[in-house]
Amino acid sequence: DAKTTQPPSMDCAEGRAANLPCNHSTISGNEYVYWYRQIHSQGPQYIIHGLKNNETNEMASLIITEDRKSSTLILPHATLRDTAVYYCIVRSYLMNRDDKIIFGKGTRLHILP
Amino acid sequence: KAGVTQTPRYLIKTRGQQVTLSCSPISGHRSVSWYQQTPGQGLQFLFEYFSETQRNKGNFPGRFSGRQFSNSRSEMNVSTLELGDSALYLCASSLQGNSNQPQHFGDGTRLSIL
Repeated sequence: DAKTTQPPSMDCAEGRAANLPCNHSTISGNEYVYWYRQIHSQGPQYIIHGLKNNETNEMASLIITEDRKSSTLILPHATLRDTAVYYCIVRSYLMNRDDKIIFGKGTRLHILP
Repeated sequence: KAGVTQTPRYLIKTRGQQVTLSCSPISGHRSVSWYQQTPGQGLQFLFEYFSETQRNKGNFPGRFSGRQFSNSRSEMNVSTLELGDSALYLCASSLQGNSNQPQHFGDGTRLSIL
């Protein structure tokens, strides 16, 4: 079972910030939070990841709560091309044979013109 | 830098046949993982290869197998195809497969079983 919970869908107006929440209340201390998105007919695209500090790159910002039980992906100025399914996953940095990446159902983000 | 390349992009097979899918990782990446994506089950992990060895495996039957070559290119094979094997098969590569290194996905091979 996926270790994360996300809303099934969200809408955001073009040009506004899109804030996508993710709950990972059972996250352990050695697990990173990763975000990917998938546009129809393409493979998932890596967006950003973090352990406990907030992170920012050219695509997005990742805000992780202090207790690490939830996080928010922020797309600062959403465009129509950001319409996609967004996946939040957790992954242990202690490599072992049980390290399977489990994707949940993600959030379908609709950017409205 | 070229991304992950998967061939072929589309494939049609019939029940009982076998199929081989190919994946060329990003140059310098040594870890290759395979996933199956279907509308009902979503993205499911198949297996991961690193340095020509299977390092991790998901919960799929033995009909699904793979291998990795010395140049890190990987193939996956599905034997005795079933209708339920119709799916998008995705390959992802990362530098060494460590969990603090992001995986980068190809656009997949869409397999249809008739």
